[in-house]
Amino acid sequence: EDQVTQSPEALRLQEGESSSLNCSYTVSGLRGLFWYRQDPGKGPEFLFTLYSAGEEKEKERLKATLTKKESFLHITAPKPEDSATYLCAVPGGYGQNFVFGPGTRLSVLP
Amino acid sequence: NAGVTQTPKFQVLKTGQSMTLQCAQDMNHEYMSWYRQDPGMGLRLIHYSVGAGITDQGEVPNGYNVSRSTTEDFPLRLLSAAPSQTSVYFCASNPLGVTEAFFGQGTRLTVV
Repeated sequence: EDQVTQSPEALRLQEGESSSLNCSYTVSGLRGLFWYRQDPGKGPEFLFTLYSAGEEKEKERLKATLTKKESFLHITAPKPEDSATYLCAVPGGYGQNFVFGPGTRLSVLP
Repeated sequence: NAGVTQTPKFQVLKTGQSMTLQCAQDMNHEYMSWYRQDPGMGLRLIHYSVGAGITDQGEVPNGYNVSRSTTEDFPLRLLSAAPSQTSVYFCASNPLGVTEAFFGQGTRLTVV
């Protein structure tokens, strides 16, 4: 059964304090690892897709990396506007849908 | 483009009532799906559709019905609401193939 876990559940950072979020997955044949950002009261918004171990993608202060069993979302010098819940997901389960992790709730304090 | 539009944004139902959550997309995506999001459990798939006239069940389909008469619309019907259906519901669409999904703003449903 395809599974995705994320850690930590919640993370509080001071503005400028870099850190990483973890996404671990168990799938039979990875067809991509997707990262989404979700703001309170909103739907998830796509950030990155990674397809193979060693791949990296960057967007502003965010960098996503992928290994054979996990992905990391590195946040460099975060700002309060980076506060959100970050979800990772893999294709699996039913049809071409996704199996989502429970998310990491990030708070960046000024 | 409006993307994926869901209505209503908030709804309170009494146990046993029925209602329809509306979802429309203007991106001509073949694939549409409904998820529910509960604290600590992530998004779970309710039903999905690969095109007009074709629907199938996801992980948690009990108590819900769907239909897909057009490419644009994919309504979710609650047949007889139960407190266990209190949740936030998201509709999503994406082109066929393994691509990122586009989500609506969500409907927060409370069943009392």
